[in-house]
Amino acid sequence: GENVEQHPSTLSVQEGDSAVIKCTYSDSASNYFPWYKQELGKRPQLIIDIRSNVGEKKDQRIAVTLNKTAKHFSLHITETQPEDSAVYFCAPNFSGGYNKLIFGAGTRLAVHP
Amino acid sequence: DTAVSQTPKYLVTQMGNDKSIKCEQNLGHDTMYWYKQDSKKFLKIMFSYNNKELIINETVPNRFSPKSPDKAHLNLHINSLELGDSAVYFCASSQGRGSGNTIYFGEGSWLTVV
Repeated sequence: GENVEQHPSTLSVQEGDSAVIKCTYSDSASNYFPWYKQELGKRPQLIIDIRSNVGEKKDQRIAVTLNKTAKHFSLHITETQPEDSAVYFCAPNFSGGYNKLIFGAGTRLAVHP
Repeated sequence: DTAVSQTPKYLVTQMGNDKSIKCEQNLGHDTMYWYKQDSKKFLKIMFSYNNKELIINETVPNRFSPKSPDKAHLNLHINSLELGDSAVYFCASSQGRGSGNTIYFGEGSWLTVV
């Protein structure tokens, strides 16, 4: 099945704090796990992704960790800044052979100065 | 030099009308998509074409008809518009159709049906 759950739905942090968003998926054959950021009124943009043969990937202040056994992956943002405020979507691929991403419901992150 | 461009950006139309949204990508990608984002921000794939061939066709009313004249263009035509069709429609593209190809989104087309 194509079930993706994302938590929390909203997250409010102080500037400089860390933020963690978790995504749980149902398709055990999923092998590609991206995170997209969507600012208000803008398009979704890829910020980081990970493939199933890797457990963790880091790019400056953002990181993604993957637990394939438990079927979940998480987005970690450290030293948050006001410009990190946006909606974040996890979008694991559905394993039907094509590049079909199943988006979570999104997490609205607010970073307060 | 926008990578994935779609027109129009805003569209307000009456119920029952027929409208089209056009999309073009200049990335040289083989695969294009249409996604719908509703008022609650749920983002869902509608269609995907690879080199003009339809490869993904989700459960979408047949009032929605995609057309790909060539691999750089994917247009979306909607017949007999309904209030529930109001949403943001995103065109997107990726290098290939296989899993793991990064998907790049256009700016979105805001459709309001009144």
